[in-house]
Amino acid sequence: EAGVTQSPTHLIKTRGQQATLRCSPISGHTSVYWYQQALGLGLQFLLWYDEGEERNRGNFPPRFSGRQFPNYSSELNVNALELEDSALYLCASSLVGTIQETQYFGPGTRLLVL
Amino acid sequence: RKEVEQDPGPFNVPEGATVAFNCTYSNSASQSFFWYRQDCRKEPKLLMSVYSSGNEDGRFTAQLNRASQYISLLIRDSKLSDSATYLCVVGVSGAGSYQLTFGKGTKLSVIP
Repeated sequence: EAGVTQSPTHLIKTRGQQATLRCSPISGHTSVYWYQQALGLGLQFLLWYDEGEERNRGNFPPRFSGRQFPNYSSELNVNALELEDSALYLCASSLVGTIQETQYFGPGTRLLVL
Repeated sequence: RKEVEQDPGPFNVPEGATVAFNCTYSNSASQSFFWYRQDCRKEPKLLMSVYSSGNEDGRFTAQLNRASQYISLLIRDSKLSDSATYLCVVGVSGAGSYQLTFGKGTKLSVIP
């Protein structure tokens, strides 16, 4: 069974540009989560989508946004990129989105903002 | 106080040693607890969930003390393959939603 996939694996942008990151959950999973892992910091929760709806949002500015498509894949958009946005962006999925469930992570997208 | 706090390490232990990691969390309403493992430049993977009664999976034992808001992970008979960063994770729900909070991780190096 295929795991969570993310694309691209690496992304280089310049300050002020926009970045779009994509995630495909494990087949049958309806919940998708986005996390940011900056160097020296732990995983920071960004967004949670379930059944096409945004269920929760972490403490990030509105220029971080996303959506979930009918096939449960998801997109994270980061507008007006800042140097501090350079990080590993991890997507995870779970079956139905409950607090006791395991979250399965993808390999991440490494975003570098110059 | 940080929401989930761990000793960053690194813990450098010889093969066969027993090593214990501790984690404290600040939100007394936390409802779910996990240990994830993250290898260098890889994604996190669930190691084990942590239950109030404590639980064991082979060489790994996890304990939860709700009164002290403290979680532990014990690894017995350490193997070289146990070298990784161990993430303490706590889940809090409310208002029809929930969120996992990850600690920064404790790095373990098992030395031959």
